[in-house]
Amino acid sequence: QSALTQPASVSGSPGQSITISCTGTSSDVGMYNYVSWYQQHPGKAPKLIIFDVSNRPSGISSRFSGSKSGNTASLTISGLQAEDETDYFCTSYRLGSTPYVFGSGTRVTVL
Amino acid sequence: QVQLVQSGAEVKKPGASVKISCKASGYTFTSYYMHWVRQAPGQGLEWMGIINPNGDYTTYAQKFQGRFILTRDTSTSTVYMDLSSLTFDDSAVYYCASLDPRHYYFDWWGQGTLVTVSS
Repeated sequence: QSALTQPASVSGSPGQSITISCTGTSSDVGMYNYVSWYQQHPGKAPKLIIFDVSNRPSGISSRFSGSKSGNTASLTISGLQAEDETDYFCTSYRLGSTPYVFGSGTRVTVL
Repeated sequence: QVQLVQSGAEVKKPGASVKISCKASGYTFTSYYMHWVRQAPGQGLEWMGIINPNGDYTTYAQKFQGRFILTRDTSTSTVYMDLSSLTFDDSAVYYCASLDPRHYYFDWWGQGTLVTVSS
């Protein structure tokens, strides 16, 4: 069982916007602005797409954006494209002996 | 181009040990911590442990204490994880992931190594 809760799947049509939630606790998501998001194609290494809640690394499309409210972080993909169809997971720094916790992962489907 | 290249899939019997390598290239190896994370079938990712740039500091998740060891060879830019006393529950994909100690996110990940524990 993952420490951060994500929906198992989210779908949308090309051009639409979708949002993936990542719910933690007051010891991780709620306490720190250190939520990051990763995109992972099957069999490939995860790729960082959002760090520190809402920042994009160089080279990442502006269609990806992040936010946080309370114990829940969110990843929004706007202008959905076929290439966005894959898996996404969140991570948060946390208080305690295990410094990082992970989301359960969300499969994005482009209809 | 930054790469973390992990060793290949392993099949082990219960009670055995497995050693996985993670070779880094394209960045200053000694400037980044290396974390290990695993994902069992149908499960989320699970943090296992960390080794510092010099290799003189490690910390492990409590559930792996006593059977999980991380080492690094700076001459070859490689980090090794060694997990012993394997059980069926250790069947998973294991990932290395590098982290700049000034930040709180994983900059790069390896491609993953599948470990299957089977009798």
